[in-house]
Formats: sequence, structure tokens, C-alpha cells
Amino acid sequence: QSALTQPASVSGSPGQSITISCTGGSSDVGGYNFVSWYQQHPGKAPKLMIYDVTKRPSGVFNRFSGSKSGNTASLTISGLQAEDEADYYCYSYAGSSTYVFGSGTKVTVL
Amino acid sequence: QLQLQESGPGLVKPSETLSLNCTVSGGSISTSPYYWGWIRQPPGKGLEWIGTIYYSGSTYYNPSLKSRVTISVDTSKNQFSLKLSSVTAADTAVYFCARSYDFWSGGAFDIWGRGTLVAVSS
Repeated sequence: QSALTQPASVSGSPGQSITISCTGGSSDVGGYNFVSWYQQHPGKAPKLMIYDVTKRPSGVFNRFSGSKSGNTASLTISGLQAEDEADYYCYSYAGSSTYVFGSGTKVTVL
Repeated sequence: QLQLQESGPGLVKPSETLSLNCTVSGGSISTSPYYWGWIRQPPGKGLEWIGTIYYSGSTYYNPSLKSRVTISVDTSKNQFSLKLSSVTAADTAVYFCARSYDFWSGGAFDIWGRGTLVAVSS
């Protein structure tokens, strides 16, 4: 079971928008609307930011949004802020009662 | 407020079995439709799903670890556990336990423990 593919790093200036991609195949990302996204600051547990591709848990700022096209899911952060600097991971159902994480993306706020 | 806490040895010898418990407080482990999972993260690397369990005992495992992993639940203790056998240095990682919403509807992990570092070394 291979990790979903994410860019190693993405950067942006405060106030800008950035998008993190998560690419899999038709057996995982493309086959189900079961993609979630996690934010992880150094030394901390991951935090759920998006679930079911586009849904935001209560308490998560609406600057965070999710989408999917074909075999690629995306997380967009609008109005980038210093506290958004963290690692981000996607997570998808992969069929046959299994799930898989993405490889992770380090977001840097310039 | 629901909280999860991992516990277990921080050091395991190669070829032995890693054992961790996750204690759930502030709520019942038997609440539908929640499932309970284990995730790990080697130092400086990404997250890896290990497996998920329902309070009834139904289990689902990462195929790459399935031959070595056992996840169990003890509803009387409001606790679930992880056993990973025949460990090597590659199993050194921070191990997280987490609550998952319905495994069959996306399985997103919405509440996490703080994680515990387990090193495999002689």
C-alpha cells in the first residue's frame, strides 16, 4: 500500500492562497468521496481540518477548504497566516477495508 | 470532553512485541458510530495508518502490517490496545491513538491522543 502523493513543500506569503494536492488513483482518492486533511505542528498530534473531501469540522476556520477532481484531492488555504505554517497530510479510503495517508506537505509562510 | 491517552513501554528490544494501550476518558468507547484507530509516525517522517477497531471487536488493518498487528478492545476498561510483533528498528515511531468517525463513511480521525514515542533498540 503506497502513500498518496503530495508535494514535499508549498510556500506562500501572508494573505496569499496556496493549494496542496493529494494524488492517488481510481482505487482510492478517485473512487470515493472519503478524503480528509490533517494539520500537524511540530511535536503535536495531527488536527482534522477537512473530512469527506469538502466538509469542515466545527472550529476550523473557513480559510481552509477542500475539493477533488478525478484522482486528485486538494486543500486550499486562503488568507495564509503565520500559524498555518505546519505539515499537512491527506488521508483516503483505499478500498478493501483499508485507508492510506499522503506523503505529507510542509507549508512555509514566507 | 473526550480525551485519549496512550501508555506503554518507551523502549522495546528487536524481535520482541510492542504493546500499547489507549485509554478513553470523558466518553464511552462503545458509542456508535465511532471507531478507534492507531497511527504511527517515524521520526522526521509521515503518518502511517496501522489499523482501526470497533467496540464490537471488528478490526481493519494496514495490509503492509497485517501479519504482525493485533488491535483489541476492552469495553469494561474503556480502552483499546495495539500489539506489534517481531519489531525492528523500522518500527521506531511516535504512536498515536485516535477516534474515527464511521469507518464506512470516511473514517476521519477527529480526536487524537498526544502520542507516545516507542524506540526499538537492544
